[in-house]
Amino acid sequence: QQQVKQSPQSLIVQKGGISIINCAYENTAFDYFPWYQQFPGKGPALLIAIRPDVSEKKEGRFTISFNKSAKQFSLHIMDSQPGDSATYFCAASGGGGSNYKLTFGKGTLLTVNP
Amino acid sequence: KAGVTQTPRYLIKTRGQQVTLSCSPISGHRSVSWYQQTPGQGLQFLFEYFSETQRNKGNFPGRFSGRQFSNSRSEMNVSTLELGDSALYLCASSLGGFAGNTIYFGEGSWLTVV
Repeated sequence: QQQVKQSPQSLIVQKGGISIINCAYENTAFDYFPWYQQFPGKGPALLIAIRPDVSEKKEGRFTISFNKSAKQFSLHIMDSQPGDSATYFCAASGGGGSNYKLTFGKGTLLTVNP
Repeated sequence: KAGVTQTPRYLIKTRGQQVTLSCSPISGHRSVSWYQQTPGQGLQFLFEYFSETQRNKGNFPGRFSGRQFSNSRSEMNVSTLELGDSALYLCASSLGGFAGNTIYFGEGSWLTVV
């Protein structure tokens, strides 16, 4: 049972363009939604996170949009750069005894062409 | 501040053997969790420890076990290795006081089972 569905699987964007990655979740008990960035040979690194009491959070070129009623959230990377080329994972946690467990999406391989 | 440190980084084992992986969390972090990352299944939660107690466990067979020491260091063990256990094993740490604490990942231990 995949509780967090992520799309697309891969994404190619030109330098300066906007990269958009979408995620949908099923468990309404989730209350914390982080995005992680992973470069080859490295562990995932937290990029930005949001709680369901806000609809949008922006940090530099990265923005999370959150739609609680649709149970969807997305990551927008503005002015995408070749250095942003990496795999991006959305995740969710929350719900009593599962507060400390992250459920990840399958990941999106982003390639930003120069 | 040193990050999450995992050892060994790479190892090759034979089917039927067992393996122990080590993790040193960020100083001051009391929660340590483990994840398995494979191309097919993505990032999957194994278990989480806080103050030497397992608080959460994922859907993995009993061959996968872990423990946490009083200094918050953690080890995970996989017995009777199978080819399908080949994966990147990631350790993560957080303060652990409440849900939503930022979870920091190490660079992982690459396990190959032959």
